[in-house]
Amino acid sequence: KNQVEQSPQSLIILEGKNCTLQCNYTVSPFSNLRWYKQDTGRGPVSLTIMTFSENTKSNGRYTATLDADTKQSSLHITASQLSDSASYICVVSRGNYGGATNKLIFGTGTLLAVQP
Amino acid sequence: NAGVTQTPKFRVLKTGQSMTLLCAQDMNHEYMYWYRQDPGMGLRLIHYSVGEGTTAKGEVPDGYNVSRLKKQNFLLGLESAAPSQTSVYFCASDNPLTSGRAKNIQYFGAGTRLSVL
Repeated sequence: KNQVEQSPQSLIILEGKNCTLQCNYTVSPFSNLRWYKQDTGRGPVSLTIMTFSENTKSNGRYTATLDADTKQSSLHITASQLSDSASYICVVSRGNYGGATNKLIFGTGTLLAVQP
Repeated sequence: NAGVTQTPKFRVLKTGQSMTLLCAQDMNHEYMYWYRQDPGMGLRLIHYSVGEGTTAKGEVPDGYNVSRLKKQNFLLGLESAAPSQTSVYFCASDNPLTSGRAKNIQYFGAGTRLSVL
């Protein structure tokens, strides 16, 4: 079954600290893995996209890693800020779905709260 | 450049009522999508369109209809709303044929929060 599982479900950290969010997937065939940030009451916004051959991708203080062999990804946030408080969603794209567009399998997200 | 705009932002319906959710994008994207987001579940695809005049079923299409009469607009209709359709609905758009599937980014609207009583 094609699934994306994220951990932890929720996380509270102090401003300025680092944190790492985890994503495990069982999606085949694999096309790419994306991390999205979703602020409360808003739509998801793309942070990174990684293909099979990419091990790491950075976007400012956000660094995503991908291990395609173990089917795991992580999102590391450095020097957290209050504005980082959001849900972070891991999304895996299936290749060759329907011949028209890749099917996206969404995780349920990790809810991060950054406290002052 | 507004991106993806959804209207309305909030709506409360009674069981059996109908309504249409409107999605508009100004990025000249070919593909558009409707998702629903429920607590404890990832976003699920309802319907999608790969171009003007085309529509296709996604993962959870029952109870919904869609139309793509203009490239920039994608409408989601509920003919007879049910409490199970209480959810947050997101529209998204992208251009995988231009961007390449491996690097294609989907852009999402801010969502429509629908309650069916």
